[in-house]
Amino acid sequence: GQQVMQIPQYQHVQEGEDFTTYCNSSTTLSNIQWYKQRPGGHPVFLIQLVKSGEVKKQKRLTFQFGEAKKNSSLHITATQTTDVGTYFCAVVRNAGNNRKLIWGLGTSLAVNP
Amino acid sequence: DGGITQSPKYLFRKEGQNVTLSCEQNLNHDAMYWYRQDPGQGLRLIYYSQIVNDFQKGDIAEGYSVSREKKESFPLTVTSAQKNPTAFYLCASTPGDRLTEQFFGPGTRLTVL
Repeated sequence: GQQVMQIPQYQHVQEGEDFTTYCNSSTTLSNIQWYKQRPGGHPVFLIQLVKSGEVKKQKRLTFQFGEAKKNSSLHITATQTTDVGTYFCAVVRNAGNNRKLIWGLGTSLAVNP
Repeated sequence: DGGITQSPKYLFRKEGQNVTLSCEQNLNHDAMYWYRQDPGQGLRLIYYSQIVNDFQKGDIAEGYSVSREKKESFPLTVTSAQKNPTAFYLCASTPGDRLTEQFFGPGTRLTVL
């Protein structure tokens, strides 16, 4: 079945350094979503990408969808301690008339002040 | 305030007991989902429902049961048949089946002693 591989599993940075997490699929994706989960919290939707080569920015966060729609990345510029958490990508899988999200395993980001 | 509520936040049960986790939403969303999250893991889909009185098994439905008698409510029962029930359980909803964004409740952390 459709799976998404997310790397790295963990990343530890100094505050002010950049951070990138990648999501890769062996099949073409219709769209991809990104979520953030703070420690002890629940996932919160960040963005959805649908177009080939799409790039979207949210302040210090830059999201990209690959030209072949098989990979995506989330880049954070100049990390802050508030960026700590786990970042997940998720893709829609169609199963007949039903649709559900398939989740990557997430990248946990730790930021040293 | 519109949102998803899950109760309780923490739940302890003895092995062999069934336990029901509550999930209520006042967002008027059609679709609701139950996920299980284990430490360092992504989200695994247990059950989902795209319409009242209908639900589908997810990837790890064994040992769990659900009902969807009302649009607002999607309770999950963890039965004694579930071999490793200790986990963080997350409920989510979406407006329809398009899966543009999932909204999550705060989660219930279940510990079976």
